[in-house]
Amino acid sequence: EAGVAQSPRYKIIEKRQSVAFWCNPISGHATLYWYQQILGQGPKLLIQFQNNGVVDDSQLPKDRFSAERLKGVDSTLKIQPAKLEDSAVYLCASSLGQQNEQFFGPGTRLTVL
Amino acid sequence: KQEVTQIPAALSVPEGENLVLNCSFTDSAIYNLQWFRQDPGKGLTSLLLIQSSQREQTSGRLNASLDKSSGRSTLYIAASQPGDSATYLCAVNKGNTPLVFGKGTRLSVIA
Repeated sequence: EAGVAQSPRYKIIEKRQSVAFWCNPISGHATLYWYQQILGQGPKLLIQFQNNGVVDDSQLPKDRFSAERLKGVDSTLKIQPAKLEDSAVYLCASSLGQQNEQFFGPGTRLTVL
Repeated sequence: KQEVTQIPAALSVPEGENLVLNCSFTDSAIYNLQWFRQDPGKGLTSLLLIQSSQREQTSGRLNASLDKSSGRSTLYIAASQPGDSATYLCAVNKGNTPLVFGKGTRLSVIA
């Protein structure tokens, strides 16, 4: 069974630039999550989708971050414009349902200069 | 607001030792508790999931226990190996709420 796929693995941009991350969850998983992990911290949820609907985006900085999950499969997370404090690892996870075990992708390491 | 604390923040042990990692959470009304492993520069690998009705789960040399009433979980690693070196993260959720993570324990097993 293929795991959660993410791309790119690494991205370096200058502040005020835009960046987008892509996630392909495990086949059949209805729930998809985007987490932000700052160095030395545990992951923090940014947004949670159930199929193509948003369940929780309370911690998403909506002035600069956006995410979508068209057709309830793949998802993209965008930052526009990026700030220095957005430097982090962005992790995508999926699960069969909201109460099931979560499986994580390898993450995208973003560096904002 | 749920808070998860992991102690110690870092641990270094010689190969072959048995060890215990601790996790505590402030709101005992949890649904799942999940232990993850994270290697440097990598994503999270799920190790064990304990549902609120369970007391423990075992996988190979790993055993996780859950005491909901006291808000604690432990991850026991038997006969540690250098390949066990990683950061171990504990996370809890409540029904349909998202996972809340601790900051992790960074484990080094010295050959």
